Amino acid sequence: GEDVEQSLFLSVREGDSSVINCTYTDSSSTYLYWYKQEPGAGLQLLTYIFSNMDMKQDQRLTVLLNKKDKHLSLRIADTQTGDSAIYFCAEGGATNKLIFGTGTLLAVQP
Amino acid sequence: ETGVTQTPRHLVMGMTNKKSLKCEQHLGHNAMYWYKQSAKKPLELMFVYSLEERVENNSVPSRFSPECPNSSHLFLHLHTLQPEDSALYLCASSHLRTGAPNTGELFFGEGSRLTVL
Repeated sequence: GEDVEQSLFLSVREGDSSVINCTYTDSSSTYLYWYKQEPGAGLQLLTYIFSNMDMKQDQRLTVLLNKKDKHLSLRIADTQTGDSAIYFCAEGGATNKLIFGTGTLLAVQP
Repeated sequence: ETGVTQTPRHLVMGMTNKKSLKCEQHLGHNAMYWYKQSAKKPLELMFVYSLEERVENNSVPSRFSPECPNSSHLFLHLHTLQPEDSALYLCASSHLRTGAPNTGELFFGEGSRLTVL
């Protein structure tokens, strides 16, 4: 079945780069997403990448997609304490159904 | 403010109680979803409503009963729950995916934190 896997926790120092990794199983996924959940809030879309792209850059965020290995990563440059949150990877295909991972808790140390 | 409002934000109930979670969206979307968020587990899709018809029911126990009276409102009726049902229940909405360039982005509410004693 469809499955999305992420590590549960990542700790970085303020100013460093953070890299959050994700693997997925559904090769027919059309879009791959990164959602961010701040404490006490719901998930908000951070960025997404279409499956025929291998990289997308948006200010401090860089998304890399390796479709052959079904691997997605999110790099946050110059990580700030305000970036502390849970980051969810998700895949979506032709239907409205998105499959999410466990989320990775990013802790930014001052 | 995401345009998706969930009430109540927190709910404590006993195993014999009956309660309901409510979700309302003001975004003009025509698909609505219930997700369950538990610690260290993937976000779990429970139900999908598309144009007010239930199109997905992911093997959810019958003690959870969804209701979608119109495209703006979604309910989750709860009865005889178990302690392991304690979790954050997230509602989301989206436009129906009819092809590119619709990305199928989900808009989430802040969730209802449920504790079953």
